[in-house]
Amino acid sequence: GQNIDQPTEMTATEGAIVQINCTYQTSGFNGLFWYQQHAGEAPTFLSYNVLDGLEEKGRFSSFLSRSKGYSYLLLKELQMKDSASYLCAVLDSNYQLIWGAGTKLIIKP
Amino acid sequence: NAGVTQTPKFQVLKTGQSMTLQCAQDMNHEYMSWYRQDPGMGLRLIHYSVGAGITDQGEVPNGYNVSRSTTEDFPLRLLSAAPSQTSVYFCASSSTGTELNTGELFFGEGSRLTVL
Repeated sequence: GQNIDQPTEMTATEGAIVQINCTYQTSGFNGLFWYQQHAGEAPTFLSYNVLDGLEEKGRFSSFLSRSKGYSYLLLKELQMKDSASYLCAVLDSNYQLIWGAGTKLIIKP
Repeated sequence: NAGVTQTPKFQVLKTGQSMTLQCAQDMNHEYMSWYRQDPGMGLRLIHYSVGAGITDQGEVPNGYNVSRSTTEDFPLRLLSAAPSQTSVYFCASSSTGTELNTGELFFGEGSRLTVL
């Protein structure tokens, strides 16, 4: 079966750095996505990786290793507004998105 | 630009009732989809469409119907509501068909449905 694993919850301190991991086992791979979802709101797109390596976008970076079935989202200089759930999703060989359950990130002052 | 608009935002139904969740997008996107989101689970695809007149089933289609008569609209119908359909429903669209080249799905604000 297809599976996406992420930690259920993480806690970090304002101003610090946090890494949210995602491991996947899917039938084929056509890219990995990270979305941010604030409580009670819709998911919004953060990043897309299809090749191995690190993609940087301001305070957020996303890393992919296809051989290891592994990705992480790195958030730097954490702000209170970064408190949200972070969803990892993989596009499989049929171009269908397989979603992880999400990681709830709690930021403490 | 309104983006993706879903209505209603909240709905309470009794078991056996039917209803339609509306979804409209003004971005001329070919791809539209319906997801449900339940606590502790990833988003699950209910139905999707790659263009007007074309629909297909996702992972959890039972109990739901869709149609796509125009590019803009993609309503989701619950035929006979059951408590297991209590969930948050999201409509999402993308500018591409089966290949999400940009990786960006645009989501509506969600519809919170409770079935008693």
